[in-house]
Amino acid sequence: EPEVTQTPSHQVTQMGQEVILRCVPISNHLYFYWYRQILGQKVEFLVSFYNNEISEKSEIFDDQFSVERPDGSNFTLKIRSTKLEDSAMYFCASSHRGKIDTQYFGPGTRLTVL
Amino acid sequence: SQQGEEDPQALSIQEGENATMNCSYKTSINNLQWYRQNSGRGLVHLILIRSNEREKHSGRLRVTLDTSKKSSSLLITASRAADTASYFCATDALKKSSGDKLTFGTGTRLAVRP
Repeated sequence: EPEVTQTPSHQVTQMGQEVILRCVPISNHLYFYWYRQILGQKVEFLVSFYNNEISEKSEIFDDQFSVERPDGSNFTLKIRSTKLEDSAMYFCASSHRGKIDTQYFGPGTRLTVL
Repeated sequence: SQQGEEDPQALSIQEGENATMNCSYKTSINNLQWYRQNSGRGLVHLILIRSNEREKHSGRLRVTLDTSKKSSSLLITASRAADTASYFCATDALKKSSGDKLTFGTGTRLAVRP
């Protein structure tokens, strides 16, 4: 069964450094998402992406964050200058038809900012 | 209660028993999804129920939706130790302006004792 994959599984970085989290969505899906989960808290929406542009973003998704679909398979989340509070599990998700469809999640990247 | 809030927060049962988890939400929804998360791992999609559906089954899972009460329940029958995980409901709000982001609840931690 097709699945969403994410790399790396764990990323440790120093405060102020840039990180890029990578995702390969399910191949025939058209809608892509990033969510995050701070330890012990709810899963929170960050951004949705369709047709090569951001369709919606949350208040968390400020100027430090950006997303890109550099080719036909990858979907990336970049954090320009990481803060301690960016430490969280970051999940990528994809769906085929967006609003009326299931979102399938990847296994997550655990980001630790020191 | 907050959008997508589950109860109980924690549930401990014996293997073979049934487990029931509830979810309440505030705004009108397009659909509601249930996910499972093993400790520190990714989100596994279990079942999606649309706002015009009242009940749905998948294997040992039964989901009900009461849009008049803005609530849903997830029943796991004949539980197994492998069902030990956190269970989340996630809603997709009906408003066009809300896009297709999912709003997650706080989750129910289920422990199934062998």
